[in-house]
Amino acid sequence: DTEVTQTPKHLVMGMTNKKSLKCEQHMGHRAMYWYKQKAKKPPELMFVYSYEKLSINESVPSRFSPECPNSSLLNLHLHALQPEDSALYLCASSRGGSDTQYFGPGTRLTVL
Amino acid sequence: DAKTTQPPSMDCAEGRAANLPCNHSTISGNEYVYWYRQIHSQGPQYIIHGLKNNETNEMASLIITEDRKSSTLILPHATLRDTAVYYCIVRAYTNAGKSTFGDGTTLTVKP
Repeated sequence: DTEVTQTPKHLVMGMTNKKSLKCEQHMGHRAMYWYKQKAKKPPELMFVYSYEKLSINESVPSRFSPECPNSSLLNLHLHALQPEDSALYLCASSRGGSDTQYFGPGTRLTVL
Repeated sequence: DAKTTQPPSMDCAEGRAANLPCNHSTISGNEYVYWYRQIHSQGPQYIIHGLKNNETNEMASLIITEDRKSSTLILPHATLRDTAVYYCIVRAYTNAGKSTFGDGTTLTVKP
């Protein structure tokens, strides 16, 4: 089983809202990732968690706040987003930081 | 990570083999070649990876040249469901999970 689940599938939010994206995996993977993908562009890495600790932050604005409550769960808290933050947000996991990454279906975010 | 170059688009007839090239001329000795594909608006799907030997699984074959500067992903009998964007990624085993996606190749399988 190589399933990574993400909720919600779609999210529409205003610039003053606070919302969260959720990602879950039950493969025993110890590394989890957030990517952002704009239309017709490749995914771009945002954050990497390894053993529940943030190991990479690719200079992401503070209005995006990741959280890894346990080894199976990864959240992305959103606050005061801009319309240009509208994108597909992808979660991935792997056994270790260097191993094959398995992606979830993504959350399509629209910021009004 | 080494940079990869892929053609922006390719067509393939249904039932024929699809051969997708990738150039990674600056690849280092400890860097693997990974292939993913992304069907419209879905998450990327892992296909195959290799270091220097050719690899085959139930989805595809990966041919890496002897100098490792280029590789080819082969889908042996393409179907309409193989229409997707295919990404070739080069990543070191020790880079803590950083993957840099290039622009990929849009493969269109035609009936």
